[in-house]
Amino acid sequence: GDSVTQMEGPVTLSEEAFLTINCTYTATGYPSLFWYVQYPGEGLQLLLKATKADDKGSNKGFEATYRKETTSFHLEKGSVQVSDSAVYFCALSDRNYGQNFVFGPGTRLSVLP
Amino acid sequence: DAGVIQSPRHEVTEMGQEVTLRCKPISGHNSLFWYRQTMMRGLELLIYFNNNVPIDDSGMPEDRFSAKMPNASFSTLKIQPSEPRDSAVYFCASSFPAGNTEAFFGQGTRLTVV
Repeated sequence: GDSVTQMEGPVTLSEEAFLTINCTYTATGYPSLFWYVQYPGEGLQLLLKATKADDKGSNKGFEATYRKETTSFHLEKGSVQVSDSAVYFCALSDRNYGQNFVFGPGTRLSVLP
Repeated sequence: DAGVIQSPRHEVTEMGQEVTLRCKPISGHNSLFWYRQTMMRGLELLIYFNNNVPIDDSGMPEDRFSAKMPNASFSTLKIQPSEPRDSAVYFCASSFPAGNTEAFFGQGTRLTVV
């Protein structure tokens, strides 16, 4: 079945550092790709998404580009803030081919002041 | 819309007791998911409904777990009898059924079985 792999955490950065969290996927169809963020004690919130190759999703300074040739959807942010400390999940969905949401294991990010 | 609403937010129960978790999906969403999150196993899909019908319950761990969706605005996840290993955060999520739209998550229910 389809699967998502993302870099193991935790990731610890200083404020204003550059962030990259790697995500790769395997899929038989043509999935949509998502990044979700989970703050402590809360549910998952959609951060950004991309539905076709070369699409770039962006939100709150975060970006990720759908790379079909490398089956990747890496999350980046140019300058992280303490408030970005959370767990980040990469996910895919291909409902048109009967594939529900598949989530990666999550990457915990801690940003230090 | 208030989003996906789950209740209770926290539940502490004794081993052997019945536990019922509740979920109200976003109005208009025809798909509903129940997930379980633990440190060891991450986020696991337990069951998925489409138009109130269970489509895939292969993730339900055992017969002690059951889920229902009597109408489009309400779902329950029941554990009977509960065991300490059921302690986890349980999330409900909903989405539109077609295409590749995102899922919207509730705040979760933190279950502790002692």
